[in-house]
Amino acid sequence: DAKTTQPPSMDCAEGRAANLPCNHSTISGNEYVYWYRQIHSQGPQYIIHGLKNNETNEMASLIITEDRKSSTLILPHATLRDTAVYYCIVRVANRADKLIFGTGTRLQVFP
Amino acid sequence: NAGVTQTPKFQVLKTGQSMTLQCAQDMNHEYMSWYRQDPGMGLRLIHYSVGAGITDQGEVPNGYNVSRSTTEDFPLRLLSAAPSQTSVYFCASSYSTGGDNYGYTFGSGTRLTVV
Repeated sequence: DAKTTQPPSMDCAEGRAANLPCNHSTISGNEYVYWYRQIHSQGPQYIIHGLKNNETNEMASLIITEDRKSSTLILPHATLRDTAVYYCIVRVANRADKLIFGTGTRLQVFP
Repeated sequence: NAGVTQTPKFQVLKTGQSMTLQCAQDMNHEYMSWYRQDPGMGLRLIHYSVGAGITDQGEVPNGYNVSRSTTEDFPLRLLSAAPSQTSVYFCASSYSTGGDNYGYTFGSGTRLTVV
Protein backbone atom coordinates (compact mmCIF):
# COMPACT_ATOMS: atom_id res chain seq x y z
CA ASP A 1 0.00 0.00 0.00
CA ALA A 2 1.05 3.58 -0.59
CA LYS A 3 2.50 5.20 2.51
CA THR A 4 1.45 8.74 1.70
CA THR A 5 -1.79 10.72 2.04
CA GLN A 6 -2.64 13.59 -0.28
CA PRO A 7 -5.81 15.62 -0.86
CA PRO A 8 -7.56 14.38 -3.98
CA SER A 9 -7.81 17.80 -5.62
CA MET A 10 -6.77 21.44 -5.29
CA ASP A 11 -7.27 24.67 -7.22
CA CYS A 12 -4.82 27.49 -7.69
CA ALA A 13 -5.01 30.82 -9.50
CA GLU A 14 -2.49 31.39 -12.25
CA GLY A 15 0.53 33.32 -10.99
CA ARG A 16 -0.06 32.38 -7.39
CA ALA A 17 1.93 29.84 -5.38
CA ALA A 18 0.55 26.32 -5.32
CA ASN A 19 1.21 24.49 -2.05
CA LEU A 20 0.57 20.77 -2.24
CA PRO A 21 0.64 18.90 1.08
CA CYS A 22 1.59 15.30 1.74
CA ASN A 23 1.46 13.23 4.90
CA HIS A 24 3.90 10.35 5.36
CA SER A 25 3.67 9.69 9.08
CA THR A 26 5.28 6.22 8.90
CA ILE A 27 8.37 7.27 6.95
CA SER A 28 11.60 5.58 7.97
CA GLY A 29 14.83 7.42 8.65
CA ASN A 30 16.49 6.42 5.39
CA GLU A 31 13.48 6.85 3.12
CA TYR A 32 13.28 9.74 0.68
CA VAL A 33 10.27 11.80 -0.33
CA TYR A 34 9.80 12.13 -4.09
CA TRP A 35 7.40 14.29 -6.06
CA TYR A 36 6.29 13.53 -9.60
CA ARG A 37 3.57 14.96 -11.77
CA GLN A 38 1.57 13.54 -14.65
CA ILE A 39 0.15 15.93 -17.20
CA HIS A 40 -2.93 14.50 -18.89
CA SER A 41 -2.02 10.95 -19.93
CA GLN A 42 1.68 11.49 -20.44
CA GLY A 43 4.38 9.61 -18.55
CA PRO A 44 5.07 10.95 -15.05
CA GLN A 45 7.72 13.64 -14.75
CA TYR A 46 10.20 13.86 -11.90
CA ILE A 47 10.00 17.16 -9.99
CA ILE A 48 12.12 17.00 -6.86
CA HIS A 49 13.12 14.76 -3.97
CA GLY A 50 14.55 15.13 -0.47
CA LEU A 51 15.55 13.30 2.69
CA LYS A 52 15.24 15.81 5.52
CA ASN A 53 16.50 19.18 4.30
CA ASN A 54 14.43 21.58 2.26
CA GLU A 55 15.23 21.40 -1.43
CA THR A 56 14.78 23.78 -4.34
CA ASN A 57 15.30 23.42 -8.04
CA GLU A 58 14.16 25.22 -11.18
CA MET A 59 10.72 23.64 -11.00
CA ALA A 60 9.73 23.72 -7.35
CA SER A 61 10.62 23.77 -3.67
CA LEU A 62 10.19 20.91 -1.22
CA ILE A 63 9.64 21.67 2.44
CA ILE A 64 9.95 18.70 4.81
CA THR A 65 8.90 19.08 8.44
CA GLU A 66 11.48 18.49 11.12
CA ASP A 67 9.84 15.25 12.22
CA ARG A 68 9.65 14.20 8.52
CA LYS A 69 6.03 13.16 8.88
CA SER A 70 4.82 15.58 6.25
CA SER A 71 6.03 17.69 3.37
CA THR A 72 4.82 20.42 1.03
CA LEU A 73 5.59 20.88 -2.63
CA ILE A 74 5.58 24.53 -3.64
CA LEU A 75 5.18 25.74 -7.21
CA PRO A 76 6.05 29.40 -6.70
CA HIS A 77 4.22 30.88 -9.69
CA ALA A 78 1.71 28.39 -11.03
CA THR A 79 0.86 28.48 -14.74
CA LEU A 80 -1.89 26.77 -16.69
CA ARG A 81 0.69 24.23 -17.84
CA ASP A 82 1.13 23.12 -14.22
CA THR A 83 -2.36 21.59 -14.27
CA ALA A 84 -1.63 17.92 -13.57
CA VAL A 85 -1.84 15.11 -11.05
CA TYR A 86 0.93 15.42 -8.47
CA TYR A 87 2.23 12.33 -6.73
CA CYS A 88 4.05 12.32 -3.41
CA ILE A 89 5.98 9.09 -3.04
CA VAL A 90 8.11 7.59 -0.31
CA ARG A 91 10.82 5.39 -1.70
CA VAL A 92 10.89 2.03 0.01
CA ALA A 93 14.14 1.58 1.89
CA ASN A 94 16.38 -1.40 1.05
CA ARG A 95 14.31 -2.25 -2.02
CA ALA A 96 16.34 -0.78 -4.83
CA ASP A 97 14.43 1.84 -6.70
CA LYS A 98 10.97 0.58 -6.00
CA LEU A 99 8.55 3.51 -6.27
CA ILE A 100 4.99 2.88 -5.16
CA PHE A 101 2.47 5.44 -6.43
CA GLY A 102 -0.67 6.53 -4.61
CA THR A 103 -3.63 8.34 -6.16
CA GLY A 104 -2.07 11.83 -6.02
CA THR A 105 -3.53 15.35 -5.97
CA ARG A 106 -5.20 16.72 -9.06
CA LEU A 107 -4.10 20.38 -9.28
CA GLN A 108 -6.22 22.65 -11.44
CA VAL A 109 -4.67 26.02 -12.25
CA PHE A 110 -7.27 28.53 -13.42
CA PRO A 111 -6.82 31.88 -15.21
CA ASN B 1 19.66 11.17 -26.42
CA ALA B 2 16.20 9.66 -26.85
CA GLY B 3 15.54 8.85 -23.17
CA VAL B 4 13.04 6.02 -22.65
CA THR B 5 11.40 4.75 -25.81
CA GLN B 6 8.30 2.57 -25.73
CA THR B 7 6.82 0.74 -28.67
CA PRO B 8 4.15 0.41 -29.85
CA LYS B 9 2.21 3.48 -28.73
CA PHE B 10 -1.15 1.81 -29.31
CA GLN B 11 -2.17 -1.83 -29.57
CA VAL B 12 -5.41 -3.79 -29.77
CA LEU B 13 -5.27 -7.48 -28.92
CA LYS B 14 -7.81 -10.25 -28.90
CA THR B 15 -8.27 -12.27 -25.73
CA GLY B 16 -5.69 -15.04 -25.60
CA GLN B 17 -3.19 -13.41 -27.94
CA SER B 18 0.36 -12.78 -26.86
CA MET B 19 2.55 -9.77 -27.42
CA THR B 20 5.64 -8.00 -26.19
CA LEU B 21 5.78 -4.35 -25.18
CA GLN B 22 9.19 -2.94 -25.90
CA CYS B 23 11.13 -0.53 -23.72
CA ALA B 24 14.59 0.81 -24.48
CA GLN B 25 16.71 3.47 -22.82
CA ASP B 26 19.98 5.02 -23.94
CA MET B 27 21.06 6.60 -20.64
CA ASN B 28 22.96 3.58 -19.28
CA HIS B 29 20.52 3.36 -16.38
CA GLU B 30 20.85 0.27 -14.22
CA TYR B 31 17.26 0.30 -13.04
CA MET B 32 14.20 -0.24 -15.21
CA SER B 33 10.59 -0.92 -14.34
CA TRP B 34 7.13 -1.41 -15.79
CA TYR B 35 3.92 0.17 -14.48
CA ARG B 36 0.31 -0.04 -15.54
CA GLN B 37 -2.24 2.71 -15.12
CA ASP B 38 -5.94 2.02 -15.28
CA PRO B 39 -8.40 4.89 -15.96
CA GLY B 40 -8.56 7.34 -13.07
CA MET B 41 -6.03 5.38 -11.07
CA GLY B 42 -2.43 5.79 -10.03
CA LEU B 43 0.44 3.73 -11.40
CA ARG B 44 0.98 0.19 -10.18
CA LEU B 45 4.34 -1.52 -10.39
CA ILE B 46 4.37 -4.74 -12.43
CA HIS B 47 8.02 -5.82 -12.59
CA TYR B 48 11.37 -4.17 -12.14
CA SER B 49 15.04 -4.84 -12.78
CA VAL B 50 18.12 -3.54 -10.98
CA GLY B 51 20.49 -4.60 -13.74
CA ALA B 52 21.04 -6.98 -16.62
CA GLY B 53 20.04 -10.51 -15.67
CA ILE B 54 18.16 -9.43 -12.52
CA THR B 55 14.40 -8.98 -12.32
CA ASP B 56 11.81 -8.98 -9.54
CA GLN B 57 8.07 -8.74 -9.12
CA GLY B 58 6.18 -5.62 -8.22
CA GLU B 59 2.62 -5.13 -6.95
CA VAL B 60 0.72 -6.73 -9.86
CA PRO B 61 3.00 -9.24 -11.66
CA ASN B 62 0.43 -11.90 -12.58
CA GLY B 63 -0.02 -12.37 -16.31
CA TYR B 64 3.24 -10.65 -17.21
CA ASN B 65 6.79 -11.87 -17.82
CA VAL B 66 9.98 -9.87 -18.13
CA SER B 67 13.64 -10.46 -18.83
CA ARG B 68 16.69 -8.17 -18.88
CA SER B 69 19.40 -9.47 -21.17
CA THR B 70 20.97 -6.06 -21.80
CA THR B 71 21.21 -2.80 -19.88
CA GLU B 72 19.29 -0.96 -22.59
CA ASP B 73 16.20 -3.14 -23.05
CA PHE B 74 13.45 -4.35 -20.74
CA PRO B 75 10.58 -5.99 -22.66
CA LEU B 76 7.25 -6.86 -21.04
CA ARG B 77 5.50 -9.97 -22.30
CA LEU B 78 1.82 -10.79 -22.12
CA LEU B 79 1.54 -14.52 -22.75
CA SER B 80 -2.26 -14.76 -22.98
CA ALA B 81 -3.94 -11.36 -23.00
CA ALA B 82 -7.10 -10.81 -20.95
CA PRO B 83 -9.54 -7.87 -20.96
CA SER B 84 -8.37 -7.05 -17.42
CA GLN B 85 -5.01 -6.15 -18.91
CA THR B 86 -6.51 -3.26 -20.83
CA SER B 87 -4.48 -0.34 -19.52
CA VAL B 88 -1.76 2.18 -20.24
CA TYR B 89 1.69 0.77 -19.66
CA PHE B 90 4.65 2.92 -18.69
CA CYS B 91 8.30 2.00 -18.60
CA ALA B 92 10.73 3.90 -16.38
CA SER B 93 14.47 3.94 -15.76
CA SER B 94 16.95 5.59 -13.43
CA TYR B 95 20.56 5.68 -12.30
CA SER B 96 21.62 4.00 -9.13
CA THR B 97 20.24 1.04 -7.32
CA GLY B 98 20.58 2.27 -3.78
CA GLY B 99 21.15 5.29 -1.63
CA ASP B 100 20.07 8.66 -2.90
CA ASN B 101 18.56 8.25 -6.34
CA TYR B 102 18.17 10.63 -9.16
CA GLY B 103 14.74 11.06 -10.71
CA TYR B 104 13.16 8.39 -12.79
CA THR B 105 12.61 8.94 -16.49
CA PHE B 106 9.35 7.61 -17.87
CA GLY B 107 8.42 6.66 -21.39
CA SER B 108 5.36 8.07 -23.15
CA GLY B 109 3.34 4.91 -22.62
CA THR B 110 1.71 2.10 -24.57
CA ARG B 111 -2.07 2.11 -24.68
CA LEU B 112 -3.25 -1.48 -24.80
CA THR B 113 -6.83 -2.63 -25.38
CA VAL B 114 -7.76 -6.30 -25.07
CA VAL B 115 -11.10 -7.23 -26.63
